[in-house]
Amino acid sequence: AQSVTQLGSHVSVSEGALVLLRCNYSSSVPPYLFWYVQYPNQGLQLLLKYTSAATLVKGINGFEAEFKKSETSFHLTKPSAHMRDAAEYFCAVTPGAAGNKLTFGGGTRVLVKP
Amino acid sequence: GAVVSQHPSWVICKSGTSVKIECRSLDFQATTMFWYRQFPKQSLMLMATSNEGSKATYEQGVEKDKFLINHASLTLSTLTVTSAHPEDSSFYICSARNRGDGYTFGSGTRLTVV
Repeated sequence: AQSVTQLGSHVSVSEGALVLLRCNYSSSVPPYLFWYVQYPNQGLQLLLKYTSAATLVKGINGFEAEFKKSETSFHLTKPSAHMRDAAEYFCAVTPGAAGNKLTFGGGTRVLVKP
Repeated sequence: GAVVSQHPSWVICKSGTSVKIECRSLDFQATTMFWYRQFPKQSLMLMATSNEGSKATYEQGVEKDKFLINHASLTLSTLTVTSAHPEDSSFYICSARNRGDGYTFGSGTRLTVV
């Protein structure tokens, strides 16, 4: 079984400041990990994914995440927040190869202050 | 590539009627599709896994007679909410397994039952 915990349901950052969204996972097998972004009344867009290759993963819109097995973490960062980064972010895990069902974290809503 | 089209985007129906939501993979074949439900300001809850040509696998607590899933072709899965009631009002999202990123999500359907 797998699970995901996102620490902090809401994060507020100033425009230009660092964005840090925390994600910890639990999986009985080597996981694949994903970060998705959701804008209001829309589906999910993939930001980046970890599939057992490089532990530092770069995604779209300047986001990146680092897989740390020892800490069972996959935190998402962006050096400089933009207003357009205001959205809901979800971390998700699936055991092994993609194709199994995703388990989502509770989500973190990001507010960007001008 | 890997586009999933979900229709309708929103629907309002009367209590007791049925509503069908379609999820199409436009440029790839999707042997497996997933249906999620999302309550306001909450995460995605997996309802069922839809496999082409076979019966869907429902998650615990999801009424299969209430939420009928059909995956008759490699590009189309449908979710029918039967005898809808106000408590079925929610945001429904489908996703499909793809060859690249793993999962592609539809844009979601806002269902309101009055």
